[in-house]
Amino acid sequence: KQEVTQIPAALSVPEGENLVLNCSFTDSAIYNLQWFRQDPGKGLTSLLLIQSSQREQTSGRLNASLDKSSGRSTLYIAASQPGDSATYLCAVPPRGSSASKIIFGSGTRLSIRP
Amino acid sequence: NAGVTQTPKFQVLKTGQSMTLQCAQDMNHEYMSWYRQDPGMGLRLIHYSVGAGITDQGEVPNGYNVSRSTTEDFPLRLLSAAPSQTSVYFCASSYSSGSNSPLHFGNGTRLTVT
Repeated sequence: KQEVTQIPAALSVPEGENLVLNCSFTDSAIYNLQWFRQDPGKGLTSLLLIQSSQREQTSGRLNASLDKSSGRSTLYIAASQPGDSATYLCAVPPRGSSASKIIFGSGTRLSIRP
Repeated sequence: NAGVTQTPKFQVLKTGQSMTLQCAQDMNHEYMSWYRQDPGMGLRLIHYSVGAGITDQGEVPNGYNVSRSTTEDFPLRLLSAAPSQTSVYFCASSYSSGSNSPLHFGNGTRLTVT
């Protein structure tokens, strides 16, 4: 059974720092890996989707990498801003018959101090 | 585009009452799903649908029913509410399952069962 873990559960850094959020998964047979952002009281917003054949994806100050062999993905945020404060979640749809059962990590709550 | 629309935003029920959480999307997405989000437990899949007329169970289906009579709508029914169903419920959709299309989320329904 696929399990997705995000460590740490919470992170606080000063504004301007570059930071890395981690996501690990137990089964490397995945279609893709998605990173989401969730603001308090809101739904999830898709940030990046990395296909299983890709190594990384970039959008603005965000860069996500994927290493299926080690079961790891990282989300790199450059030059962090207070507006980046939110909870970041990763999710993977398993391959095969369970592809529709997308599994989420518990998230990392990020706080950027001005 | 409205995207994924969930109603109501808030609901308070008494134990034993029934209700339906509504979810509609206007993106012609085949895949739709329901998650519940609880503190410390992340997002857990309740039910999902890969197209009109097709539904299946997720990780935590007990106490919930779904149907998919149209592509646009995917309501979640609580037949006899219990305090353990107090949670935030999210509906999500994507172009199809097992593909590289990102998930789109609604803003959630916060349900309290007393």
